[in-house]
Amino acid sequence: NAGVTQTPKFRVLKTGQSMTLLCAQDMNHEYMYWYRQDPGMGLRLIHYSVGEGTTAKGEVPDGYNVSRLKKQNFLLGLESAAPSQTSVYFCASSYRGDEKLFFGSGTQLSVL
Amino acid sequence: EDKVVQSPLSLVVHEGDTVTLNCSYEVTNFRSLLWYKQEKKAPTFLFMLTSSGIEKKSGRLSSILDKKELFSILNITATQTGDSAVYLCAVQNTGKLIFGQGTTLQVKP
Repeated sequence: NAGVTQTPKFRVLKTGQSMTLLCAQDMNHEYMYWYRQDPGMGLRLIHYSVGEGTTAKGEVPDGYNVSRLKKQNFLLGLESAAPSQTSVYFCASSYRGDEKLFFGSGTQLSVL
Repeated sequence: EDKVVQSPLSLVVHEGDTVTLNCSYEVTNFRSLLWYKQEKKAPTFLFMLTSSGIEKKSGRLSSILDKKELFSILNITATQTGDSAVYLCAVQNTGKLIFGQGTTLQVKP
């Protein structure tokens, strides 16, 4: 059972570089989410999607873009990475959006 | 603005102690409140609460919701070192899950 899979697990970027984080789920979930976690801050919602082709902003969307071209995939892009984006990124999904979330194992991103 | 606040932010206890973790919230369209445990990696689900006054229980852990006073508590009895973790409270608001800062619990032998 794959569940929610995030790639890559670790990445180091230089300031100004771009990258895309991929989240894939095999549970036929409608809702997908991207969170970031910083020390002492809990999880903060970056963007989310309530279905294929839809995206919406969360609490901290600036500097990130997302796309949900296929139901099973949710991509998080950083166009010009900044040191403030050093964080652990978690993807999550749920079937209806009013029930528990299933989380991926996280991506540790460092921007130098 | 939606807000979820947990207290205390950190807690150190000894094995066998009982702990109570608090979560208060302000959201525009409350749907449910969830508790997660996070050790090294991804959060793992503990409880989902939707109705006031109904206790959810799983082994030594229990939780209850008060929708009038807008808070929830998570109790852990007879704590063990394996309970050491960050405990996260989150509130669902029309498709979004908003998290609190988390409470870091350390249980000493």
